[in-house]
Amino acid sequence: DIQMTQSPSTLSASVGDRVTITCRASQSISSWLAWYQQKPGKAPKLLIYKASRLESGVPSRFSGSGSGTEFTLTISSLQPDDFATYHCQQYNSYSWTFGQGTKVDIK
Amino acid sequence: QLRLQESGPGLVKPSETLSLTCTVSGRSISSSSNYWAWIRQPPGKGLDWIGSVSFSGSTYYNKSLQSRVTISMDTSKDQFSLKLSSVTAADTAVYYCARYLCTDGVCYPLDYWGQGTLVSVSS
Repeated sequence: DIQMTQSPSTLSASVGDRVTITCRASQSISSWLAWYQQKPGKAPKLLIYKASRLESGVPSRFSGSGSGTEFTLTISSLQPDDFATYHCQQYNSYSWTFGQGTKVDIK
Repeated sequence: QLRLQESGPGLVKPSETLSLTCTVSGRSISSSSNYWAWIRQPPGKGLDWIGSVSFSGSTYYNKSLQSRVTISMDTSKDQFSLKLSSVTAADTAVYYCARYLCTDGVCYPLDYWGQGTLVSVSS
């Protein structure tokens, strides 16, 4: 199976900060990479698909980039509603895998 | 509006079979291009892909769970189900059902999720 590794595991930031989270795949997944946001006690919410395409209704401060094995999620100006855990997921094959998650908390 | 809702026992004994159902509303589960998935999240940990069933009944499983997992669908009720046999404490998790689309050989990630249901494995 393809392994997904996120870094960092935890990130402390302030409102207005630019935040970047990295996700690495154990083998090339082309651009078949999604990012989700999850708040405590809630299901994940799809933010980005195909590495860089914004899901409908997602604020434009979220962006994604990368291809092959290295990907990033960037929040251009962190807002209070953005404190959450972020997960990457590869959907290159029929057996999908997730990263371990990155928690963004208040500095 | 598409909605998914998990249901089933919140407590299962070790060595027994965990059974959950996801009821879909707002869409027939046999609608073309729709795939229906199960994902779980152990307490305080990341997400694990369990498997999925397509609109036509084809199934896809996580290789590490394949020997214990069965996913099936009941089109008359717009429901799909998960059975996980021989459970241990390591199977304690919040279990989510979700939907994704595949069309013309291209799949898209999970865009609709249920709220999740906690299943604990304990005697």
